[in-house]
Amino acid sequence: NAGVTQTPKFQVLKTGQSMTLQCAQDMNHNSMYWYRQDPGMGLRLIYYSASEGTTDKGEVPNGYNVSRLNKREFSLRLESAAPSQTSVYFCASSVGTSGADTQYFGPGTRLTVL
Amino acid sequence: AQTVTQSQPEMSVQEAETVTLSCTYDTSESDYYLFWYKQPPSRQMILVIRQEAYKQQNATENRFSVNFQKAAKSFSLKISDSQLGDAAMYFCAYRSAFNNAGNMLTFGGGTRLMVKP
Repeated sequence: NAGVTQTPKFQVLKTGQSMTLQCAQDMNHNSMYWYRQDPGMGLRLIYYSASEGTTDKGEVPNGYNVSRLNKREFSLRLESAAPSQTSVYFCASSVGTSGADTQYFGPGTRLTVL
Repeated sequence: AQTVTQSQPEMSVQEAETVTLSCTYDTSESDYYLFWYKQPPSRQMILVIRQEAYKQQNATENRFSVNFQKAAKSFSLKISDSQLGDAAMYFCAYRSAFNNAGNMLTFGGGTRLMVKP
């Protein structure tokens, strides 16, 4: 029972490079989320997908794009990485976007932009 | 916008003793959910306990319980019989009961809990 998986676990980029973070869930959840966690802080929402085929901006969407590839997969893309995007990125999923629906998190991806 | 504040950056507790982590929040909404998440060194975010604002009874999960004071907008976590495995960062989080912005979780800054053997 994998839950929410993320790849890669670690990544180092140079400024201006691009990359895609992958996320998959096997819980048949409708909603998926991308958060970032900066040192000493809580998580902040970047983008979310309420259901397959829809995506919306969260609190800090600038510099990112997302794709909800199918019900299981939700990817986050950095087109031109900047040092300010150095962070730990978490993917999460939930049954729906109701406040009652618990979000389950993946193990995170630590990204460093030089 | 809602805000969540954890005023204790670090706490320590002796193994087998009890510790309370504080959390306050600000909201104009009447219906919402509050959560405590644990983040061990592995970075995995693990749900510890959840409280629904319209329920007056405080939530309990084994050694973990909350003291929810809605009027005071306070939501503290009590860990009883602390164990070495409880050492982690603990995050308090808020989520609206209304469907806005995907019902994102709003997190506090975290409290690092150390458990002394």
